[in-house]
Amino acid sequence: AQTVTQSQPEMSVQEAETVTLSCTYDTSESDYYLFWYKQPPSRQMILVIRQEAYKQQNATENRFSVNFQKAAKSFSLKISDSQLGDAAMYFCAYRSPSYNTDKLIFGTGTRLQVFP
Amino acid sequence: DGGITQSPKYLFRKEGQNVTLSCEQNLNHDAMYWYRQDPGQGLRLIYYSQIVNDFQKGDIAEGYSVSREKKESFPLTVTSAQKNPTAFYLCASFTDRREAFFGQGTRLTVV
Repeated sequence: AQTVTQSQPEMSVQEAETVTLSCTYDTSESDYYLFWYKQPPSRQMILVIRQEAYKQQNATENRFSVNFQKAAKSFSLKISDSQLGDAAMYFCAYRSPSYNTDKLIFGTGTRLQVFP
Repeated sequence: DGGITQSPKYLFRKEGQNVTLSCEQNLNHDAMYWYRQDPGQGLRLIYYSQIVNDFQKGDIAEGYSVSREKKESFPLTVTSAQKNPTAFYLCASFTDRREAFFGQGTRLTVV
């Protein structure tokens, strides 16, 4: 079974600085999807970025980028020029492409604090 | 505007009662999922449905039931068999690109 591990329960960053959140996963599949979701205090889950395993190029969305290391099964999120509004829980998630095992599996989350 | 609507936002249940959480979407998505969120445990999958009139158990289905009679609706019933139902419940539907869109959640508290 697939698992997702986020080893940093809490992280903090100064406004305008860069922070990296870690995520590792375990799977025997060769093709899959990886996501980072943000959950602010409102508790609304928001998709931050998505990566398809067959793509070697790392995904980027404005200030958010990932470092996808398929062989190491690592999927870290880098937030550049951190803003106060980035403070939230961040969840890493894995999804299989198979219909029969079509689950979205989440890590336990990393709470990010942003200091002015 | 398209989206996912969960209701109610807050729900209180007495011991031994069944309660139903509503999840409605107008995004025309086939797949809908229910997750439970507890502090320090991330999101855990309760039930999911890939298509109308079909659904599968997730990792923590005991004490819960669902139905999928319409594409737009995927209600979750928390039965009296669920021993620790106090939690935050999130409903999601999935795009063709396998991205999840979430509702705003329901906070269930046993009183």
